[in-house]
Amino acid sequence: ETGVTQTPRHLVMGMTNKKSLKCEQHLGHNAMYWYKQSAKKPLELMFVYNFKEQTENNSVPSRFSPECPNSSHLFLHLHTLQPEDSALYLCASSQDGSSGTFEQFFGPGTRLTVL
Amino acid sequence: AQSVTQLGSHVSVSEGALVLLRCNYSSSVPPYLFWYVQYPNQGLQLLLKYTTGATLVKGINGFEAEFKKSETSFHLTKPSAHMSDAAEYFCAVTDLTDTGRRALTFGSGTRLQVQP
Repeated sequence: ETGVTQTPRHLVMGMTNKKSLKCEQHLGHNAMYWYKQSAKKPLELMFVYNFKEQTENNSVPSRFSPECPNSSHLFLHLHTLQPEDSALYLCASSQDGSSGTFEQFFGPGTRLTVL
Repeated sequence: AQSVTQLGSHVSVSEGALVLLRCNYSSSVPPYLFWYVQYPNQGLQLLLKYTTGATLVKGINGFEAEFKKSETSFHLTKPSAHMSDAAEYFCAVTDLTDTGRRALTFGSGTRLQVQP
């Protein structure tokens, strides 16, 4: 595997379900990100992890719960979602710090539909 | 606060015509600037970037962009559009967050249509 991978690519869930999105980066980066991309809305940054520490949480509802067990893996745990949470969820990674250029490398995304 | 403005949410050009996608930014620190492309149901792919040095940068698929500090702009161009260029394009700039970290801020995107 190379780059940033995300699983599953598509997910349909009911409002009472619990599911998780998985992201893995094979680039040796030290920062990972979750974004939400809805139709007709700008890309929304949800969470940032730097060296496994959460450094940004942009007022995301608690029904979204991130987990970063190590610098290569990032999860987004979902529970009791709403239909308006249907979107493309993108994971990205970057090399931050004095030696980094901060460009982010994106995975293909998970298309989430909440019924 | 940093911001990125992409003028025109939709741009339509004819195949073979010049492509010009506009991006203006504000940044409290010397910026790093990026253009990304997104094809339907895919993630964002880096087209090109400016960090330091030459202000005209060349990217993949024949695209280039010029950093103009005096105009705070980083417009994306391609001399001759191809049907395969139809996609959404995002401009991004680094700036400092409230916690003092450098982070990327994305523009709202420009959807490029290429007419045959």
